[in-house]
Amino acid sequence: ETGVTQSPTHLIKTRGQQVTLRCSSQSGHNTVSWYQQALGQGPQFIFQYYREEENGRGNFPPRFSGLQFPNYSSELNVNALELDDSALYLCASSLIGGGTDTQYFGPGTRLTVL
Amino acid sequence: AQTVTQSQPEMSVQEAETVTLSCTYDTSESDYYLFWYKQPPSRQMILVIRQEAYKQQNATENRFSVNFQKAAKSFSLKISDSQLGDAAMYFCAYRSAYGGGSNYKLTFGKGTLLTVNP
Repeated sequence: ETGVTQSPTHLIKTRGQQVTLRCSSQSGHNTVSWYQQALGQGPQFIFQYYREEENGRGNFPPRFSGLQFPNYSSELNVNALELDDSALYLCASSLIGGGTDTQYFGPGTRLTVL
Repeated sequence: AQTVTQSQPEMSVQEAETVTLSCTYDTSESDYYLFWYKQPPSRQMILVIRQEAYKQQNATENRFSVNFQKAAKSFSLKISDSQLGDAAMYFCAYRSAYGGGSNYKLTFGKGTLLTVNP
């Protein structure tokens, strides 16, 4: 069974740029959720994708957007980067409708905005 | 909106001893799930234990057990026979059992940093 993977591991961008982060879900899972974890804080929910559609969103502006592909992998896109976007971005996959729908996390992408 | 509070920013324990991490939450819902996740320096969030609110029996996973007090909205984690590998940030998390949209999200506390002393 393949776990959740994310790429890249680290990323450095400058303010105003755009970034794309990638997540491959655990095999057999159909849902991906994205979280932002600022330094010293717990993760905050950004949004969730199920069957290639956004299925719930937290308190994040529209410049945070995403995609889910037919193989259930996902992308998180952030436009017009701001300094406060510097954080660890975590994705979690799960199986909705399969009994246990516990979310399993990837290792994260550390984004630094200068 | 649901909130999760972890009142202990840091805890320490001697190897082989027992430690309890505290978590309280606030919700108006009657059915939900509670989780403890562990985040070591490698950053990967690892599921430690899960509790369904409708179950009165406390969940256990090997050396890890919880004390779930639904009326008090309390969900503490007990680690027995602590090992050096248990050192990590521990997060308590809440999830609604009412599916759909943002109800599926995990709401996390701010975490408790556990140090294990040899």
